[in-house]
This record gives sequence, structure tokens and C-alpha cells, in this order.
Amino acid sequence: QVQLVQSGAEVKKPGASVKVSCKTSGYTFTTYGIGWVRQAPGQGLEWVGWISAYSGHTNYAQRVQGRVTMTTDTSTKTVYMELRSLRADDTAVYYCARDSYCGGDCYSFDYWGQGTLVTVSS
Amino acid sequence: DIQMTQSPSSLSASVGDRVTLTCRASQSIDRYLNWYQQKPGRAPKVLIYAASSLQSGVPLRFSGSGSGTDFTLTINSLQPEDFATYYCQQSYSTPRTFGQGTKVELK
Repeated sequence: QVQLVQSGAEVKKPGASVKVSCKTSGYTFTTYGIGWVRQAPGQGLEWVGWISAYSGHTNYAQRVQGRVTMTTDTSTKTVYMELRSLRADDTAVYYCARDSYCGGDCYSFDYWGQGTLVTVSS
Repeated sequence: DIQMTQSPSSLSASVGDRVTLTCRASQSIDRYLNWYQQKPGRAPKVLIYAASSLQSGVPLRFSGSGSGTDFTLTINSLQPEDFATYYCQQSYSTPRTFGQGTKVELK
């Protein structure tokens, strides 16, 4: 069965970096992209970015552009998201999700990781 | 960026009710609209993709409609497990923005 398992919670100081992993299993890794979505405490969902597991092509949200890097390791079927120069408003649960193509410009996140809480506090 | 606006922000309903949630895009997104359900402390779950296609395993009481800028999610005969927050998301262009959510609460 398809599974996405994320790394554990992190506590970081402002200005530091964090790297969250998302280990996948149960499907052909390079057939799907992986998206990242975050949710600040008590808030809604925010799309952070996306990476193609086939080509490594990425697309990032403007809010994190220049501070985020998404990478893949095909040998371990793992996707990584590194966020640098952390700020208090980066505090959130970060989810990875499999990006399923359904035709035309139709994509949906059909499987999700369990979420990783990243807390940025001095 | 395409802005997604959901209404209402919250609603109270009873088991067995029919509820309709609305999502409006700031520009036409054709039918590239998804609906997710999220329960507290859990990851979201996709219910509907491409505006009206039911994700495998999702109960038939959920249905979606719309195209262009206006979309709806309807839940027929609300069940206890349906009390949750619902988000729409467009996949027409990046960033693939979400609406702010509609919380469905027990009356």
C-alpha cells in the first residue's frame, strides 16, 4: 500500500535551517511528483511547493522562494524539503503529499504523510 | 496568484442534513478544482478531484459540481464522521492555492 512517512518534530531558533524528509513506499517513485503543504497552528492549508520525482523539476511558493529547496533521493525513494532562514511565522505542520495526475491541468494530492511539526522559537 | 474563497467559513448542521459548501476562484480555473476533508490532528483527505470526480473509496453522499469560477461540494445525509473542515484547492496553475476552509460543526 502507498505510504508516505515523514521525519519527526523539530524545534529551531530563528535564522536556523530545517530539513524534513518524506520516505515513500508502495508505488513507482518516479511516476509521481511530491507536493509540500503547511498548516500554521489553527490556520488553513498553504501550498509550499512541488518537486517532480522523475526530473527533479521544482516549483515553489513566492512566500518561501529563495529559502526553500526540495530534493529527491531515488535510491531511497525519499523526498526532502529544506527551509532556511527560519522565522516565527514558519511554525507549522508540514505535510508531504503524492501528486496524482488526472488529466489536463488536473492534479490532486491523493496520499499524505502524517505531518511534521516545525516550531521556530527563540 | 489565483485566490480561492470559500463560504461559509463555518456552518452548523445535524446528522441527516444535506449541506452545500461553496468555493469561488478569482479567475476561471476550468474544472481543475479539488475538495479535501480534514479532521483535527489528521492529514487532509481528498474527496473530489476535477470538480466532480469522486475519489476511490469516498462515500457516494459526497458530490461536487461547477466549472469556471464557481464550485460546490454537497454532502447528502450528513453522517457523524463528516463533521470536519473542508478545503477547496485549484490545480489550474501554480501556486496551487487552497481556500481558507469551511468548518462543518454539529448543531
